[in-house]
Amino acid sequence: LAKTTQPISMDSYEGQEVNITCSHNNIATNDYITWYQQFPSQGPRFIIQGYKTKVTNEVASLFIPADRKSSTLSLPRVSLSDTAVYYCLVRGAGSYQLTFGKGTKLSVIP
Amino acid sequence: AAGVIQSPRHLIKEKRETATLKCYPIPRHDTVYWYQQGPGQDPQFLISFYEKMQSDKGSIPDRFSAQQFSDYHSELNMSSLELGDSALYFCASAQGLRGSPLHFGNGTRLTVT
Repeated sequence: LAKTTQPISMDSYEGQEVNITCSHNNIATNDYITWYQQFPSQGPRFIIQGYKTKVTNEVASLFIPADRKSSTLSLPRVSLSDTAVYYCLVRGAGSYQLTFGKGTKLSVIP
Repeated sequence: AAGVIQSPRHLIKEKRETATLKCYPIPRHDTVYWYQQGPGQDPQFLISFYEKMQSDKGSIPDRFSAQQFSDYHSELNMSSLELGDSALYFCASAQGLRGSPLHFGNGTRLTVT
């Protein structure tokens, strides 16, 4: 299982773009990169998933460089409700196990 | 859209008692995962099932067991409860493999006194 490393915490002001970078140096060829958001006492919520280059949905963008050893979750114009813990996970296409590492606690300041 | 349903939402048990947590996956999802999240900790993978068969096993204590039934719902059985078992227990479901994202329920908060 590829290990991930991401900042423990980040602060941002409302309305700013937030970029959270995750390092996964030993990612395997068939591994996907997935990001989840978790609010206190709630289950993690799927945000976005990608394999290479760039993926965008209605809430975020995911940038993955060619070597795939890192990825960056981009949240445009954050609001107070985006205050949460964000987890970067790496998972093989045929793997049943999804392992959470240490997430990034994002605090959005008014 | 239908989500993962977990019951009960809260459960209080005494040491050495048993507990059963239930999980109802999203319709047509055939894979179920169980996670444990202690206070201030990250979710820890316990066990998973695919098509009613155990597919992977994580840090699940021997005192715990789980199964997935013919209707795809799953139950986590916990015996000889210890104070350290107090945690949020999440169930997640997914459709098959191939990297499909997991959808989590809102968990069962187990308190062991």
